[in-house]
Amino acid sequence: DTEVTQTPKHLVMGMTNKKSLKCEQHMGHRAMYWYKQKAKKPPELMFVYSYEKLSINESVPSRFSPECPNSSLLNLHLHALQPEDSALYLCASSHGSGPTFHEQYFGPGTRLTVT
Amino acid sequence: AQTVTQSQPEMSVQEAETVTLSCTYDTSESDYYLFWYKQPPSRQMILVIRQEAYKQQNATENRFSVNFQKAAKSFSLKISDSQLGDAAMYFCAYRTAGNNDMRFGAGTRLTVKP
Repeated sequence: DTEVTQTPKHLVMGMTNKKSLKCEQHMGHRAMYWYKQKAKKPPELMFVYSYEKLSINESVPSRFSPECPNSSLLNLHLHALQPEDSALYLCASSHGSGPTFHEQYFGPGTRLTVT
Repeated sequence: AQTVTQSQPEMSVQEAETVTLSCTYDTSESDYYLFWYKQPPSRQMILVIRQEAYKQQNATENRFSVNFQKAAKSFSLKISDSQLGDAAMYFCAYRTAGNNDMRFGAGTRLTVKP
């Protein structure tokens, strides 16, 4: 199984809503990532969890709150978002160590629209 | 800070022909990894090929191969026998060894003409 799954595929939320994005992998990977991708732009790293601990937070606003309940799951909690937060949110995972440590496998993404 | 530059916003190739996508990077590190990712209209990022900086031999995956010039900090992707399914946005990416942070170039949109 070389799949990273993300739910939901699409999400529309108001600026006062609270919602969560979910990411799951069953490849035994120990590093998981959240990226934000605007149209026609490359992905921008938001957060990295390594062995279920937050290792990188790229100065992301606090209205985005990551959570890693276990090594297979990664959530992104959203609260009081702004319209400019509308984007494709990609989850990725990679081995925590070893020769394939540096390869990241991406999920299909969640397309978020903030109204 | 490491930067990745893709100087070709768009490229076009005839089906069955060969096309080369360019990528340059800037780093002071000696141990790092380079990748080409493909993102078709479905938007799922797919790993195409990987190159370890310590390996002199250029990586090859079926119709995809790279020309890795470490001294020039250049990492181009060659697609042979182009197929319609190769049409996508291609991102070059860099990652320092042992580091979780991966940097992407701006991308090159490849169109394949039948």
